[in-house]
Amino acid sequence: DVKVTQSSRYLVKRTGEKVFLECVQDMDHENMFWYRQDPGLGLRLIYFSYDVKMKEKGDIPEGYSVSREKKERFSLILESASTNQTSMYLCASKTGANTGELFFGEGSRLTVL
Amino acid sequence: GENVEQHPSTLSVQEGDSAVIKCTYSDSASNYFPWYKQELGKRPQLIIDIRSNVGEKKDQRIAVTLNKTAKHFSLHITETQPEDSAVYFCAARDEGGGADGLTFGKGTHLIIQP
Repeated sequence: DVKVTQSSRYLVKRTGEKVFLECVQDMDHENMFWYRQDPGLGLRLIYFSYDVKMKEKGDIPEGYSVSREKKERFSLILESASTNQTSMYLCASKTGANTGELFFGEGSRLTVL
Repeated sequence: GENVEQHPSTLSVQEGDSAVIKCTYSDSASNYFPWYKQELGKRPQLIIDIRSNVGEKKDQRIAVTLNKTAKHFSLHITETQPEDSAVYFCAARDEGGGADGLTFGKGTHLIIQP
């Protein structure tokens, strides 16, 4: 059973703080993704990675960066959190083939005050 | 890039009736169209998908149809049950286009009325 684990389910941070969201998958998947979910806006892709140390911008990368030092771990970083980054963040992974299902984590709900 | 439009944003049906959710896509290169279901407080999960070499696919009470010419695809749920209440997302991607992620619609909140 594929497992994608996000380390924090709920976080509350202050404007200007640095925020790390961690994601770990246990299925040896090559591809990992960070999405942001907001009511009425669906799931929007922030960044993705197709290999260790590789990263690509998604549709809304501004204000975010990512790190993939190990195959199983993909981190989303908010260098200086802002109130408009209050959202649900979903990590996902899939195999390296150009096909296949996305497996999501439970999500991390971030509130920036 | 790809743009996926999804309608309606909210759909309320009586238990036992059918529900239909429609999506359109913009990139004619897209050839993979999955549907994800997200129950309240839970992660999105794949419920059915279709590739562009077929026009329809069924799995018990769920079916998906694809019209490549018109660039639209639909999710059909028959004999709806309370456990069908959830947010449903359609998505599209070009499977020959590299490792990038899916482009999702904005979601449909399906409410099953008892």
